[in-house]
Amino acid sequence: EVQLVQSGPEVKRPGESLKISCKGSGYSFSDYWIVWVRQRPGKGLEWMGNIYPGDFDIKYSPSYQGQVSVSADRSISTAFLQWTSLKASDSGIYFCARQFCRDYTCYFLFDSWGQGTPVTVSA
Amino acid sequence: EIVMTQSPATLSVSPGERATLSCRASQSVTSDLAWYQQKPGQPPRLLIFGASTRATGVPARFSGSGSGTEFTLTISSLQSEDLAVYYCQQYNHWQITFGGGTKVEIK
Repeated sequence: EVQLVQSGPEVKRPGESLKISCKGSGYSFSDYWIVWVRQRPGKGLEWMGNIYPGDFDIKYSPSYQGQVSVSADRSISTAFLQWTSLKASDSGIYFCARQFCRDYTCYFLFDSWGQGTPVTVSA
Repeated sequence: EIVMTQSPATLSVSPGERATLSCRASQSVTSDLAWYQQKPGQPPRLLIFGASTRATGVPARFSGSGSGTEFTLTISSLQSEDLAVYYCQQYNHWQITFGGGTKVEIK
């Protein structure tokens, strides 16, 4: 069974750094893109960026380029989303998800999701 | 960036009735359109891909149609467990984008 398990809730102060994680299991971690999606409180879904663990290719949304960093460690089948200096506006729930593949073709849509990591940034 | 616009924002439907949700793209995405269902406190769940193909395990009452810029998700006979927010997502362009969502309420 494919599973993505994310790290737990975080409460941080503005200006602090943060790194959250997403551990994949039940499949070959290197062979599927992982995406990070943000959901602000009571709002919709926003694509932040993707990483392909096989060769560490990364794509960022223009809205998040330079604001966050996406990375992965194949040895522990885990993807990461990192901030160096949080702002209150970074609060929200962050989901990771795995791309969907069928009949040897893969697409940038997502059929397995993590449970979400709530992040609260407040003074 | 391809902008995805969903309507209506909120839809109230009686159990057993049909629910019709719309999604419009700012430019053609051919059939590279997915629909997701998100229930309160849960991550999204893939319902439809390729505009009209149901994902594994999705009940037959969910159907998708459309191509180009206009898409529809239909729930043929609404059940109480279908209370959720539904999102469309285009994957035609590498900068994927989601619609703002339609909240389906049970009347």
